[in-house]
Amino acid sequence: GENVEQHPSTLSVQEGDSAVIKCTYSDSASNYFPWYKQELGKRPQLIIDIRSNVGEKKDQRIAVTLNKTAKHFSLHITETQPEDSAVYFCAAMGRGSGGSNYKLTFGKGTLLTVNP
Amino acid sequence: KAGVTQTPRYLIKTRGQQVTLSCSPISGHRSVSWYQQTPGQGLQFLFEYFSETQRNKGNFPGRFSGRQFSNSRSEMNVSTLELGDSALYLCASSRDSSGNTIYFGEGSWLTVV
Repeated sequence: GENVEQHPSTLSVQEGDSAVIKCTYSDSASNYFPWYKQELGKRPQLIIDIRSNVGEKKDQRIAVTLNKTAKHFSLHITETQPEDSAVYFCAAMGRGSGGSNYKLTFGKGTLLTVNP
Repeated sequence: KAGVTQTPRYLIKTRGQQVTLSCSPISGHRSVSWYQQTPGQGLQFLFEYFSETQRNKGNFPGRFSGRQFSNSRSEMNVSTLELGDSALYLCASSRDSSGNTIYFGEGSWLTVV
């Protein structure tokens, strides 16, 4: 099955700096790669996603890049702010036991701390 | 538009008991999936339902089961609870096909004592 590795597990940056979180996946059939932000005690919230037919997507201070050949994708946050502090999860939608792509496999998460 | 609704939000059960959690997807969403979140294991896929049929299942023991009703609402059940089942159980919904955005509910916090 799909395996998603996420690095780093913790990341501390100064306000205004950029933050980069990287993920790799194993199933070449995976076709959808969302990123979720989870604040303490709250649900994961989708912040950006990318599909396998696109190499890069940007939404204001957040961007995601996908390299299908190398099977890795990254989250880039520019001009970080204290409210960006949270746990970030990458995920890949790959083949489940039923053979179709409906199973989302998550990375272990990155705790991002933005210091004022 | 209402989001994914999960009930109950918090519950405490005793080892050996069973529990049923409920999830109402976003209106128009026909796919419902369940995830278990624990500090040690992160977010793990339990199962996914579409049109009352389980399409995919994760690597959990048979004590974990689920179902989906004709209105797309879903329930999951855990029988013979163990201490290790203490976790946040998240339900997520999406439209129908692969690659559709998945939205999470607030989750049900289960504590087994």
